[in-house]
Amino acid sequence: DTEVTQTPKHLVMGMTNKKSLKCEQHMGHRAMYWYKQKAKKPPELMFVYSYEKLSINESVPSRFSPECPNSSLLNLHLHALQPEDSALYLCASSQERVRGYTFGSGTRLTVV
Amino acid sequence: KQEVTQIPAALSVPEGENLVLNCSFTDSAIYNLQWFRQDPGKGLTSLLLIQSSQREQTSGRLNASLDKSSGRSTLYIAASQPGDSATYLCAVFPNFGNEKLTFGTGTRLTIIP
Repeated sequence: DTEVTQTPKHLVMGMTNKKSLKCEQHMGHRAMYWYKQKAKKPPELMFVYSYEKLSINESVPSRFSPECPNSSLLNLHLHALQPEDSALYLCASSQERVRGYTFGSGTRLTVV
Repeated sequence: KQEVTQIPAALSVPEGENLVLNCSFTDSAIYNLQWFRQDPGKGLTSLLLIQSSQREQTSGRLNASLDKSSGRSTLYIAASQPGDSATYLCAVFPNFGNEKLTFGTGTRLTIIP
């Protein structure tokens, strides 16, 4: 299995809702990442988990809460989001630098 | 702070032509460089990964080169096809510190049938 799987592919949520994005990989990669991408912009790093521990938090608002239950799963819990949080959310994983990153297909999030 | 730039931001070429996409980075202390393709609203697909010790990598019609000393990489696409239309992103890994990938600004490529 050489894929990173993200669910759901699309999500529409109200500003008072709580939802979660899920990411799964079975490549044995030790690092997993969440990125946010706005239209026509490159991806922006949000969080990095290394060996299931949060190693980087790019000053993301607390309405985004990451969780890494085990080495294969990464969640992003969403609560009280704003319309400007609407974006494509990408998950990625890597084993070591020499092999680069593998990205998922993303979740298109719309906050109404 | 590493900055990665891709010029041009958009490019349109007729089908069948060969083309080159450019990527420039300000800090030459990179571990490797990765080229990605992104279709509208989709995730990133890895195309080629070049280690800092390598000069080029090839996959099918794609060839990526790396000149670390001048802070430049190019992605060469031979015999372009309409299916090559997408946004192409380069990204660099730092030599030291955390594993934070720095992305380029992207080139939106359109192949005209």
